[in-house]
Amino acid sequence: SQQGEEDPQALSIQEGENATMNCSYKTSINNLQWYRQNSGRGLVHLILIRSNEREKHSGRLRVTLDTSKKSSSLLITASRAADTASYFCATDPTPNAGGTSYGKLTFGQGTILTVHP
Amino acid sequence: GAGVSQSPSNKVTEKGKDVELRCDPISGHTALYWYRQSLGQGLEFLIYFQGNSAPDKSGLPSDRFSAERTGGSVSTLTIQRTQQEDSAVYLCASSFTSRGSHYEQYFGPGTRLTVT
Repeated sequence: SQQGEEDPQALSIQEGENATMNCSYKTSINNLQWYRQNSGRGLVHLILIRSNEREKHSGRLRVTLDTSKKSSSLLITASRAADTASYFCATDPTPNAGGTSYGKLTFGQGTILTVHP
Repeated sequence: GAGVSQSPSNKVTEKGKDVELRCDPISGHTALYWYRQSLGQGLEFLIYFQGNSAPDKSGLPSDRFSAERTGGSVSTLTIQRTQQEDSAVYLCASSFTSRGSHYEQYFGPGTRLTVT
């Protein structure tokens, strides 16, 4: 079952504009990760934010995490046509009673981003 | 260094046949994961390996699905008596682990399985 819900399902913008994608989840997490997928094949890891972090940056990417609202957002600034892809959030659940988190990711349905030149 | 590799990249098989999908993780990554991506179900977790053992097989959809990992490296996912609903892209990922914590997962390009 999908824990994450992403919105919007599709986003179409012009090059140079910013793109914001949101992700909501249901259970406690150890960390939340964002991935990018081109043409329905392999996923590329973008950024990982831990449950005790609130914001993280990587180049033109900015991720926020609000554990009280169980939500995260991915902001891509100054978008480029090459950013056109599907973007997924994935949650890594809180460690089990034994204290081990083993990275079983639960993915959202994804946001399809189209950046027009 | 080399990333995660998967083979074959595409596989077309007849209903009822068995198929084997292979994953070669990044060297040094002890954790290996199989996921499945299909139009109706999105990305689903199938099975997780830590070394050669599989502590979590909860995502395998039926007993027709099995997986093994040998030498803490290469893994094969086997689907017996394939059905049309098995058609999907099968993705493998590996990650580094330390003191029980897991890090970002690196995905292979996937195997697109079509059952006719």
